[in-house]
Amino acid sequence: KQEVTQIPAALSVPEGENLVLNCSFTDSAIYNLQWFRQDPGKGLTSLLLIQSSQREQTSGRLNASLDKSSGRSTLYIAASQPGDSATYLCAAGGATNKLIFGTGTLLAVQP
Amino acid sequence: NAGVTQTPKFRILKIGQSMTLQCAQDMNHNYMYWYRQDPGMGLKLIYYSVGAGITDKGEVPNGYNVSRSTTEDFPLRLELAAPSQTSVYFCASSYSPYSNQPQHFGDGTRLSIL
Repeated sequence: KQEVTQIPAALSVPEGENLVLNCSFTDSAIYNLQWFRQDPGKGLTSLLLIQSSQREQTSGRLNASLDKSSGRSTLYIAASQPGDSATYLCAAGGATNKLIFGTGTLLAVQP
Repeated sequence: NAGVTQTPKFRILKIGQSMTLQCAQDMNHNYMYWYRQDPGMGLKLIYYSVGAGITDKGEVPNGYNVSRSTTEDFPLRLELAAPSQTSVYFCASSYSPYSNQPQHFGDGTRLSIL
């Protein structure tokens, strides 16, 4: 059974810092690994999707990597801004695109 | 560009009542999903559908039912509401897992059962 873990559960950084969020999964037989952002009281917004055959994806200040053999993915945020404050969720995608989610990392970027 | 639309946004139910959470998408996605999110937790899959007329159970299906009569709509039914079903419910849709496209989520339905 796939299990997804995110570390740390919460993170507070000053504005401008580069930071890394970690995600680990127990079953390497995934179709993709997805990163989402969730603002308080809102739904999920997709940030990056890495197919199982890919090693990384980039979008602006965000870079996500995937290492299937070790069961790990990282989300790197460069030059953090207060507007980046949110909960970040990773999810392992299996057959039929069913997602198994981690419990998230709550990020606070202090101005 | 509506995307995934969920109604209602908020609802309070009494124990034993029933209700249907509505979900509609206008992106012609074949795949649709229902998740629940409890406080401080990640999302857990309740039911999913890979096309009209085809549904299957996820991780936590007990106490819920679904139907998929059209590509656009995927309602979730609670027959006998219980306090354990107090949660935020999210509907999502996507193309196939081979499409390299992410799931699109609605804004959620916040349900309290008292």
